[in-house]
Amino acid sequence: NAGVTQTPKFQVLKTGQSMTLQCAQDMNHNSMYWYRQDPGMGLRLIYYSASEGTTDKGEVPNGYNVSRLNKREFSLRLESAAPSQTSVYFCASLGGSEKLFFGSGTQLSVL
Amino acid sequence: GENVEQHPSTLSVQEGDSAVIKCTYSDSASNYFPWYKQELGKGPQLIIDIRSNVGEKKDQRIAVTLNKTAKHFSLHITETQPEDSAVYFCAASFSGYGQNFVFGPGTRLSVLP
Repeated sequence: NAGVTQTPKFQVLKTGQSMTLQCAQDMNHNSMYWYRQDPGMGLRLIYYSASEGTTDKGEVPNGYNVSRLNKREFSLRLESAAPSQTSVYFCASLGGSEKLFFGSGTQLSVL
Repeated sequence: GENVEQHPSTLSVQEGDSAVIKCTYSDSASNYFPWYKQELGKGPQLIIDIRSNVGEKKDQRIAVTLNKTAKHFSLHITETQPEDSAVYFCAASFSGYGQNFVFGPGTRLSVLP
């Protein structure tokens, strides 16, 4: 039982490049989330998917797109990376009793 | 919308001492308050939570207290150990809506041997 798996763990991009962060959960959870973590700012919600086939914007969606490929997978895409998107990205899924399960994170640097 | 403040931002204690981290929230509709622990290089993990119909909850060396009137809640760790060193996040949400989680900025706890 792997929980929430994120790939890659590290990535360096040049300004303007694109990339997709992958996330998969094996706990049969309906809701999945993408957060970014910046120093002194906690975790901020980028996008979420309350169930398979639906996605909605969170607090900081600009510059990102998401795809809920199926119940297990929820990907985050940066179409044209900017230095302001340098951050640590976490995927999470929501289990019973409102417990969030987080992946181990992707550290992204945009030069 | 909800706003969560957390203090202190850093905290150093001697092994065996107690540590207290405090959070305040702004939205009186929030009714679920979890605490997450993040170790270096890992994602946050839930360590304890409390709902608005309860004033205090304990789990071994950790406890959380909630004051709904003052809109603040606190994490208490007793008999601290080096493995308690981590970043701790509080959060507030309205039950049943996972997208409504609002996290505090975090507290870096260092337990000195």
